[in-house]
Amino acid sequence: DTGVSQDPRHKITKRGQNVTFRCDPISEHNRLYWYRQTLGQGPEFLTYFQNEAQLEKSRLLSDRFSAERPKGSFSTLEIQRTEQGDSAMYLCASSPKGRTYNEQFFGPGTRLTVL
Amino acid sequence: SQQGEEDPQALSIQEGENATMNCSYKTSINNLQWYRQNSGRGLVHLILIRSNEREKHSGRLRVTLDTSKKSSSLLITASRAADTASYFCATVINTGNQFYFGTGTSLTVIP
Repeated sequence: DTGVSQDPRHKITKRGQNVTFRCDPISEHNRLYWYRQTLGQGPEFLTYFQNEAQLEKSRLLSDRFSAERPKGSFSTLEIQRTEQGDSAMYLCASSPKGRTYNEQFFGPGTRLTVL
Repeated sequence: SQQGEEDPQALSIQEGENATMNCSYKTSINNLQWYRQNSGRGLVHLILIRSNEREKHSGRLRVTLDTSKKSSSLLITASRAADTASYFCATVINTGNQFYFGTGTSLTVIP
């Protein structure tokens, strides 16, 4: 399967714990995006990477959230000191280099439940 | 906050009928895209329309864009049960690389 993959698919954690999610984009894609989606809502932009550089970050993103893409391939999203309000689906998407504003290819998402 | 809003929030039709959903947005855009999401899954890109285009077709999909009204519509013709999903519009503004998704329309096609 050469699509975007995310791991884990589901994560249940207790409030206050740290969690880390991984995203593997399509191999030739240099753009990578993270989104958060809550029930009944559309995806909400969190952050964007071009290669290994984090170029944009939502102002809504608290300092408990951090994302990396160290070698310009896979990316990780870490949430520290999780809160119940962090419960959501976390989606990763990638798009190819070249033309700007391409379509995005989404992974299946990681569903986080904070108890 | 999200840029786009879809209307209606939910739509239920019989198989074979056409489904129309609308998207309104707030700021000038470079392009607008429509995505489909099956329950609990990731989003799948359907169609992209650029700000200088007014209408675009892809198979059973027809998208229109009215930049003066800051609105777009997605028409699915001859709907099938497999079209049951949530549909989102995403706007891409001229600055930055952020995609702004709407709140979605939940479409149910009854066999």
